[in-house]
Parts: sequence; C-alpha cells; structure tokens
Amino acid sequence: NAGVTQTPKFQVLKTGQSMTLQCAQDMNHEYMSWYRQDPGMGLRLIHYSVGAGITDQGEVPNGYNVSRSTTEDFPLRLLSAAPSQTSVYFCASSFGQGSGKVSYEQYFGPGTRLTVT
Amino acid sequence: GENVEQHPSTLSVQEGDSAVIKCTYSDSASNYFPWYKQELGKRPQLIIDIRSNVGEKKDQRIAVTLNKTAKHFSLHITETQPEDSAVYFCAASIKGSSSASKIIFGSGTRLSIRP
Repeated sequence: NAGVTQTPKFQVLKTGQSMTLQCAQDMNHEYMSWYRQDPGMGLRLIHYSVGAGITDQGEVPNGYNVSRSTTEDFPLRLLSAAPSQTSVYFCASSFGQGSGKVSYEQYFGPGTRLTVT
Repeated sequence: GENVEQHPSTLSVQEGDSAVIKCTYSDSASNYFPWYKQELGKRPQLIIDIRSNVGEKKDQRIAVTLNKTAKHFSLHITETQPEDSAVYFCAASIKGSSSASKIIFGSGTRLSIRP
C-alpha cells in the first residue's frame, strides 16, 4: 500500500510554461484534494473532488485545472505558470461519503516543490 | 465567506507546560474539525479530530474542545515535550457549491518547546 504518491518531487518552470503535477492513491478513497502551502499562509485549497467525474473549486482555483477520470488519479494542471505559483503543492485523499457528507481523515502525499522563474 | 482563523501564529512554552491553540470558523454547517501536525520538511499528519456532536475529545496528552455556539475549537497539549515542536493546523469542513464538504485550513501555529 503506497498511500498517496506525488510526482515530481521538485520542478522548476519558466514563466508561461505549462505542466501537470501527478497525484495517485491506492486506498480507494473517494475524496481527493490539492493544497498549496506558502510561508505564513497555511494550506490553501485549490480544487477538490468527491469522486470520479466530479470536481469543485477551492479557495484559490485561478490558474489551475483538474480532472478526475478515475478514482485513483487526480492530476493538477498549471496552464501558464507564473512566479506567484511558486509553492509547495500537497495532494490529499480520504474516505468521503459522497455529496453532502463529511470527509474523514485526509492522508497527504509527500508534496511537490515548484519554483517558477 | 468561508473562513478558519487560527491564533496564535507562534507559541513558545517551557517543556512540561501546557500549550493551547485556538481556532474560529464562520460556517454554521461545519461539522468536522481535524487538527494536523507538520514537522519541518514533512507532510501534515492528523493528530486528533472532533465531530460536531461531541464537545471534547482526548487522546493521551492531546485534547480538543468544541464550542458550536461560539464557533470556536481549541487544541490543548499537556506536559509538552521537545518532540511536540512543529507547526499545527486546525481545519473545518465547509459546504461546497455542490453540497459536498471541503476541508479548509487555518494559517498554522508554530509551536516551540523550550528545554
């Protein structure tokens, strides 16, 4: 059981480039989410998904796209990277219970450290 | 709007003393309140959580209290030890636009334990 995996661990992009951060989990979790962590600002929710085919915006969704075609994978796409997107990105998953119900303990991946120059 | 506020941002306590971190939330429909600990360079990990039908929960030296009327909840760590030094985050479930809940985090508290 690998838990939540993220690739790559580190990435440097130039302004304007696009890329996809990968996230996968093997725990059959319904709920998956992406956070970014900046110094002094905690963990801010970018996008989340309560199941395959269902995604929704979090607190800071601009500049990012997501899709959820399978239960296991939840990739995060940066459309046109900007220096303001320099951050550490965490993917997390949990046993959600579907629409309208509470999600339980979130398991975090190891993070991707992204630098945009 | 949806908001979770956390105080203080930094906290330094003598080893053996207690530490208290407080959070407030804005969504009256919030019903799940987890606390996460993040050590330097590592991922956040759940240390304790509480649901809205419970006022207090304890796990050894850690306890969480919830006041739904006032919309605030607190983390209490007793008999602090050096390994308690870390950043602690509170969080709350917030109703999303699709009626499913999402988890919103506070800004974190850096706890330092003085020997």
